[in-house]
Amino acid sequence: AQSVTQPDIHITVSEGASLELRCNYSYGATPYLFWYVQSPGQGLQLLLKYFSGDTLVQGIKGFEAEFKRSQSSFNLRKPSVHWSDAAEYFCAVGSQFSGGYNKLIFGAGTRLAVHP
Amino acid sequence: NAGVTQTPKFRVLKTGQSMTLLCAQDMNHEYMYWYRQDPGMGLRLIHYSVGEGTTAKGEVPDGYNVSRLKKQNFLLGLESAAPSQTSVYFCASTAVLVAKDKNIQYFGAGTRLSVL
Repeated sequence: AQSVTQPDIHITVSEGASLELRCNYSYGATPYLFWYVQSPGQGLQLLLKYFSGDTLVQGIKGFEAEFKRSQSSFNLRKPSVHWSDAAEYFCAVGSQFSGGYNKLIFGAGTRLAVHP
Repeated sequence: NAGVTQTPKFRVLKTGQSMTLLCAQDMNHEYMYWYRQDPGMGLRLIHYSVGEGTTAKGEVPDGYNVSRLKKQNFLLGLESAAPSQTSVYFCASTAVLVAKDKNIQYFGAGTRLSVL
C-alpha cells in the first residue's frame, strides 16, 4: 500500500538558517510527488511537484526538493528561512486511479517554527 | 478567479444534528474531493467524485454522504453528527483534461467543525 512518512513532527529553526524537511514514500511505480504548505487557518497551497525529468525541482517561495529514487525520498529544502515560512508542510504522493495520478496520500505533516 | 470556495468557514453542532458543507469550484475541474484533517494524521480522503452525478468512497467514508448534482459543486453531508467528526474539512478539485493542471489538487480554505 502507498504511504508517506514525514519523520519530523515539529522543527524549529532560526531566521536565516537553512531548512530541510524530510519525506519518505512507499509506492510501487514511479510516483508523482508533491509538497504543500498550510499557513495557520488557511487551506493548502502547492509549493512544488515532481512528475518526471530533472530530480531537483524548484517551487515557489524559494523552496526546492530533490527526488531520490534509491532512498524513496523527496526532501524539501530552503537555503535561508524567513519568519513568514512558519507553517505546516505536507508531503504527498499521487496514487493512480481512473487512468491518472489523481488520488493523493498525505504524510502527517511537519510543523515549522521560525525563531527571530 | 475564486478557485475553490467552501461554506461555511466555521460551524458548531450538537451531537445528532445534521448539516451540509458546500464546496464550489469555478475552474471547470472534473474531479472533486473531500478530506478531513486531524492533528498528527495529515489529510484523509472521505469521498471523491470523478464527474457530475458520480461519487465514490475514500479512506474514511463512514458517517458522511456526498452529492455532485452539478459539475462545479460537491456537497458533504453529516446526517447525525458525532463528536468524532470534530475536524477541519477541506475540499479540493483537480483537472483531468487540461495538461498543465493535471494531477494538481487545488484546495479550499477549509471548514472548522466542532461537534459537542
